[in-house]
Amino acid sequence: GAVVSQHPSWVICKSGTSVKIECRSLDFQATTMFWYRQFPKQSLMLMATSNEGSKATYEQGVEKDKFLINHASLTLSTLTVTSAHPEDSSFYICSARETGELFFGEGSRLTVL
Amino acid sequence: AQSVTQPDIHITVSEGASLELRCNYSYGATPYLFWYVQSPGQGLQLLLKYFSGDTLVQGIKGFEAEFKRSQSSFNLRKPSVHWSDAAEYFCAVGGLILTGGGNKLTFGTGTQLKVEL
Repeated sequence: GAVVSQHPSWVICKSGTSVKIECRSLDFQATTMFWYRQFPKQSLMLMATSNEGSKATYEQGVEKDKFLINHASLTLSTLTVTSAHPEDSSFYICSARETGELFFGEGSRLTVL
Repeated sequence: AQSVTQPDIHITVSEGASLELRCNYSYGATPYLFWYVQSPGQGLQLLLKYFSGDTLVQGIKGFEAEFKRSQSSFNLRKPSVHWSDAAEYFCAVGGLILTGGGNKLTFGTGTQLKVEL
Protein backbone atom coordinates (compact mmCIF):
# COMPACT_ATOMS: atom_id res chain seq x y z
CA GLY A 1 0.00 0.00 0.00
CA ALA A 2 0.87 3.66 -0.12
CA VAL A 3 3.26 5.09 2.45
CA VAL A 4 2.80 8.22 4.51
CA SER A 5 5.72 9.39 6.60
CA GLN A 6 5.86 11.92 9.41
CA HIS A 7 8.82 13.77 10.82
CA PRO A 8 9.81 14.11 13.56
CA SER A 9 8.52 11.08 15.45
CA TRP A 10 9.27 12.70 18.77
CA VAL A 11 9.80 16.34 19.68
CA ILE A 12 10.24 18.05 23.00
CA CYS A 13 10.13 21.81 23.14
CA LYS A 14 9.93 24.65 25.60
CA SER A 15 6.72 26.48 26.21
CA GLY A 16 6.33 29.45 23.89
CA THR A 17 8.29 28.01 20.99
CA SER A 18 6.90 26.82 17.67
CA VAL A 19 7.17 23.30 16.33
CA LYS A 20 6.77 22.11 12.76
CA ILE A 21 5.65 18.58 11.89
CA GLU A 22 5.97 17.29 8.35
CA CYS A 23 3.74 14.78 6.61
CA ARG A 24 4.90 13.29 3.33
CA SER A 25 3.28 10.94 0.88
CA LEU A 26 6.25 8.91 -0.29
CA ASP A 27 5.01 7.06 -3.34
CA PHE A 28 1.92 8.93 -4.40
CA GLN A 29 0.57 12.43 -4.76
CA ALA A 30 -1.94 13.67 -2.26
CA THR A 31 -4.05 16.71 -3.00
CA THR A 32 -5.72 16.27 0.36
CA MET A 33 -4.20 15.35 3.67
CA PHE A 34 -5.78 15.19 7.10
CA TRP A 35 -4.37 16.11 10.48
CA TYR A 36 -5.58 14.31 13.58
CA ARG A 37 -4.80 14.78 17.23
CA GLN A 38 -4.89 11.97 19.73
CA PHE A 39 -4.86 12.44 23.49
CA PRO A 40 -3.66 9.59 25.70
CA LYS A 41 -6.14 6.75 25.88
CA GLN A 42 -8.51 8.57 23.55
CA SER A 43 -9.58 8.46 19.97
CA LEU A 44 -8.35 10.48 17.04
CA MET A 45 -9.94 13.85 16.56
CA LEU A 46 -9.83 15.42 13.13
CA MET A 47 -8.23 18.83 13.37
CA ALA A 48 -8.15 20.00 9.79
CA THR A 49 -8.16 19.05 6.14
CA SER A 50 -5.10 20.19 4.27
CA ASN A 51 -5.64 21.08 0.62
CA GLU A 52 -2.75 21.43 -1.81
CA GLY A 53 -2.46 24.98 -3.05
CA SER A 54 -5.26 26.39 -0.94
CA LYS A 55 -6.19 27.12 2.63
CA ALA A 56 -6.79 24.34 5.07
CA THR A 57 -10.27 23.61 6.37
CA TYR A 58 -10.37 23.51 10.14
CA GLU A 59 -12.79 21.61 12.31
CA GLN A 60 -14.91 23.47 14.78
CA GLY A 61 -13.01 24.43 17.88
CA VAL A 62 -9.55 24.18 16.33
CA GLU A 63 -7.62 27.43 16.42
CA LYS A 64 -6.38 28.32 12.96
CA ASP A 65 -3.72 30.69 14.25
CA LYS A 66 -2.49 28.12 16.70
CA PHE A 67 -2.20 25.23 14.31
CA LEU A 68 -0.87 26.50 11.00
CA ILE A 69 -1.19 24.11 8.08
CA ASN A 70 0.65 24.48 4.80
CA HIS A 71 0.21 22.10 1.88
CA ALA A 72 2.69 23.55 -0.57
CA SER A 73 3.19 20.51 -2.76
CA LEU A 74 1.42 17.31 -3.72
CA THR A 75 3.59 15.27 -1.38
CA LEU A 76 4.06 17.49 1.65
CA SER A 77 1.83 19.02 4.28
CA THR A 78 3.16 20.69 7.40
CA LEU A 79 1.54 21.40 10.74
CA THR A 80 3.11 24.15 12.82
CA VAL A 81 2.09 24.43 16.44
CA THR A 82 2.73 28.06 17.26
CA SER A 83 3.62 29.32 20.71
CA ALA A 84 3.25 25.83 22.07
CA HIS A 85 2.03 25.28 25.62
CA PRO A 86 1.91 22.13 27.74
CA GLU A 87 -1.75 21.58 26.86
CA ASP A 88 -0.68 21.18 23.22
CA SER A 89 1.25 18.07 24.18
CA SER A 90 -0.30 15.27 22.20
CA PHE A 91 0.15 12.69 19.48
CA TYR A 92 -0.40 14.20 16.05
CA ILE A 93 -1.18 11.92 13.12
CA CYS A 94 -1.58 12.79 9.47
CA SER A 95 -3.24 10.80 6.74
CA ALA A 96 -3.54 11.01 3.00
CA ARG A 97 -5.93 9.49 0.54
CA GLU A 98 -4.80 7.26 -2.29
CA THR A 99 -7.29 5.48 -4.56
CA GLY A 100 -10.07 5.98 -2.07
CA GLU A 101 -8.23 4.65 0.95
CA LEU A 102 -6.70 6.62 3.80
CA PHE A 103 -3.13 5.86 4.77
CA PHE A 104 -1.77 7.11 8.06
CA GLY A 105 1.62 8.35 9.10
CA GLU A 106 3.47 6.94 12.08
CA GLY A 107 2.48 9.90 14.23
CA SER A 108 4.47 12.61 15.95
CA ARG A 109 4.63 12.83 19.73
CA LEU A 110 4.85 16.43 20.91
CA THR A 111 5.81 17.20 24.49
CA VAL A 112 5.81 20.81 25.58
CA LEU A 113 7.66 21.53 28.79
CA ALA B 1 -23.93 13.83 12.68
CA GLN B 2 -21.93 10.68 12.38
CA SER B 3 -20.66 8.86 15.44
CA VAL B 4 -19.04 5.62 16.44
CA THR B 5 -19.40 3.76 19.71
CA GLN B 6 -16.99 1.13 20.90
CA PRO B 7 -18.55 -0.02 24.16
CA ASP B 8 -15.56 -1.99 25.41
CA ILE B 9 -12.62 0.11 26.55
CA HIS B 10 -10.50 -2.90 27.50
CA ILE B 11 -10.72 -6.55 26.56
CA THR B 12 -8.48 -9.36 27.75
CA VAL B 13 -8.40 -12.71 26.02
CA SER B 14 -6.17 -15.74 26.23
CA GLU B 15 -3.93 -16.56 23.32
CA GLY B 16 -5.73 -18.93 20.98
CA ALA B 17 -9.17 -17.81 22.10
CA SER B 18 -11.64 -16.16 19.80
CA LEU B 19 -12.15 -12.41 19.79
CA GLU B 20 -15.00 -10.06 19.02
CA LEU B 21 -14.70 -6.29 19.29
CA ARG B 22 -17.91 -4.37 19.11
CA CYS B 23 -18.62 -1.29 17.04
CA ASN B 24 -21.88 0.58 16.58
CA TYR B 25 -22.22 3.53 14.29
CA SER B 26 -24.60 6.32 13.46
CA TYR B 27 -24.53 7.70 9.95
CA GLY B 28 -27.15 9.42 7.85
CA ALA B 29 -26.33 7.77 4.54
CA THR B 30 -24.62 4.67 3.30
CA PRO B 31 -21.70 4.23 5.68
CA TYR B 32 -18.16 3.36 4.81
CA LEU B 33 -16.76 1.42 7.75
CA PHE B 34 -13.21 0.73 8.78
CA TRP B 35 -11.22 -1.03 11.45
CA TYR B 36 -7.74 0.17 12.27
CA VAL B 37 -5.11 -1.17 14.63
CA GLN B 38 -2.60 0.97 16.49
CA SER B 39 0.44 -0.32 18.30
CA PRO B 40 1.90 1.84 21.09
CA GLY B 41 3.46 5.03 19.76
CA GLN B 42 2.61 4.11 16.20
CA GLY B 43 0.26 5.30 13.52
CA LEU B 44 -2.78 3.42 12.36
CA GLN B 45 -2.86 0.41 10.12
CA LEU B 46 -5.97 -0.51 8.19
CA LEU B 47 -7.26 -3.98 9.02
CA LEU B 48 -10.28 -4.02 6.76
CA LYS B 49 -13.00 -1.88 5.30
CA TYR B 50 -16.57 -2.18 4.11
CA PHE B 51 -17.88 -0.11 1.25
CA SER B 52 -20.59 -2.29 -0.27
CA GLY B 53 -21.36 -5.83 -1.34
CA ASP B 54 -20.76 -8.85 0.84
CA THR B 55 -21.44 -7.89 4.43
CA LEU B 56 -18.72 -10.18 5.75
CA VAL B 57 -15.36 -8.69 4.92
CA GLN B 58 -11.98 -10.25 5.31
CA GLY B 59 -8.96 -8.27 6.36
CA ILE B 60 -5.32 -8.71 7.11
CA LYS B 61 -3.86 -10.75 9.96
CA GLY B 62 -6.83 -13.13 9.98
CA PHE B 63 -9.41 -10.52 11.01
CA GLU B 64 -12.91 -10.28 9.65
CA ALA B 65 -15.87 -8.02 10.28
CA GLU B 66 -19.56 -8.24 9.60
CA PHE B 67 -21.71 -5.29 8.61
CA LYS B 68 -25.22 -5.51 10.02
CA ARG B 69 -27.30 -2.61 8.82
CA SER B 70 -30.31 -3.49 11.00
CA GLN B 71 -28.13 -3.30 14.11
CA SER B 72 -25.90 -0.46 12.91
CA SER B 73 -22.96 -2.61 13.83
CA PHE B 74 -19.64 -3.55 12.35
CA ASN B 75 -18.04 -5.97 14.81
CA LEU B 76 -14.50 -7.20 14.36
CA ARG B 77 -13.70 -10.87 14.88
CA LYS B 78 -10.78 -13.22 14.90
CA PRO B 79 -11.09 -16.98 15.48
CA SER B 80 -7.78 -17.41 17.29
CA VAL B 81 -5.90 -14.53 18.84
CA HIS B 82 -2.11 -14.33 18.80
CA TRP B 83 -0.02 -12.51 21.40
CA SER B 84 1.08 -10.07 18.70
CA ASP B 85 -2.51 -8.92 18.30
CA ALA B 86 -2.29 -6.96 21.55
CA ALA B 87 -2.89 -3.35 20.52
CA GLU B 88 -5.56 -0.70 20.35
CA TYR B 89 -8.32 -1.13 17.82
CA PHE B 90 -10.35 1.68 16.36
CA CYS B 91 -13.56 1.50 14.43
CA ALA B 92 -14.31 4.39 12.07
CA VAL B 93 -17.17 5.53 9.87
CA GLY B 94 -17.18 7.95 7.02
CA GLY B 95 -18.61 8.82 3.68
CA LEU B 96 -16.62 8.85 0.50
CA ILE B 97 -16.73 12.40 -0.75
CA LEU B 98 -16.27 12.10 -4.47
CA THR B 99 -15.73 15.73 -5.26
CA GLY B 100 -12.34 16.38 -3.78
CA GLY B 101 -12.81 16.29 -0.04
CA GLY B 102 -11.66 12.77 0.49
CA ASN B 103 -12.69 10.50 3.30
CA LYS B 104 -13.64 12.30 6.48
CA LEU B 105 -13.60 9.72 9.19
CA THR B 106 -15.08 9.69 12.65
CA PHE B 107 -13.33 7.34 15.01
CA GLY B 108 -14.58 5.46 18.04
CA THR B 109 -12.75 5.77 21.31
CA GLY B 110 -10.90 2.53 20.77
CA THR B 111 -10.69 -0.85 22.47
CA GLN B 112 -7.46 -1.87 24.11
CA LEU B 113 -6.81 -5.56 23.58
CA LYS B 114 -4.63 -7.48 26.00
CA VAL B 115 -3.62 -11.03 25.22
CA GLU B 116 -2.72 -13.39 28.03
CA LEU B 117 -0.24 -16.13 27.29
